[in-house]
Amino acid sequence: AQSVTQLGSHVSVSEGALVLLRCNYSSSVPPYLFWYVQYPNQGLQLLLKYTSAATLVKGINGFEAEFKKSETSFHLTKPSAHMSDAAEYFCAVSDRDSSASKIIFGSGTRLSIRP
Amino acid sequence: KAGVTQTPRYLIKTRGQQVTLSCSPISGHRSVSWYQQTPGQGLQFLFEYFSETQRNKGNFPGRFSGRQFSNSRSEMNVSTLELGDSALYLCASSSGVSDTQYFGPGTRLTVL
Repeated sequence: AQSVTQLGSHVSVSEGALVLLRCNYSSSVPPYLFWYVQYPNQGLQLLLKYTSAATLVKGINGFEAEFKKSETSFHLTKPSAHMSDAAEYFCAVSDRDSSASKIIFGSGTRLSIRP
Repeated sequence: KAGVTQTPRYLIKTRGQQVTLSCSPISGHRSVSWYQQTPGQGLQFLFEYFSETQRNKGNFPGRFSGRQFSNSRSEMNVSTLELGDSALYLCASSSGVSDTQYFGPGTRLTVL
């Protein structure tokens, strides 16, 4: 069965510092991988998606993630944090061989930015 | 293109009542999925509809049901509400198989 594990329910960084949010996945076949962001009282917004075209995926708002099969990881990074990045981030996986659209989400990581 | 819309945004019900939530997908999208988000259980998949047919279902009791209309709009119904059904219910649409899902703002249901 597919699953994702997000390491760290809360991450705090200073403004301008590197953001690193960790995600490890478990899947029997190469999956699709996603990072979504959720701002307070809002739905989920897609940051980026891995579909095997390239292992380094660039997303919106300066975020990127690297797919590492050997480590079964898909960590999210941003070189320089902004105050506006404060939100909850979800890593997710779906089965590319499935005929249905079903996403399995991680438990989320709340990112706080210190001035 | 307009995004995914959900109505109502907020809802308060009492135990034992039933509720219907509505979701309008992005124009042209034929797949609609529903998720429940709670602080304790996180984001959990409820079910997915594609061309008016339920294509996939999560592990929720039969009190949770849904349907999709010919215009791809979807409704989710919860009968005999329990306190534990209090949650943010998110709807997502996509164009079809293994495609990116776009989420609506959610309906926050509070059961008293």
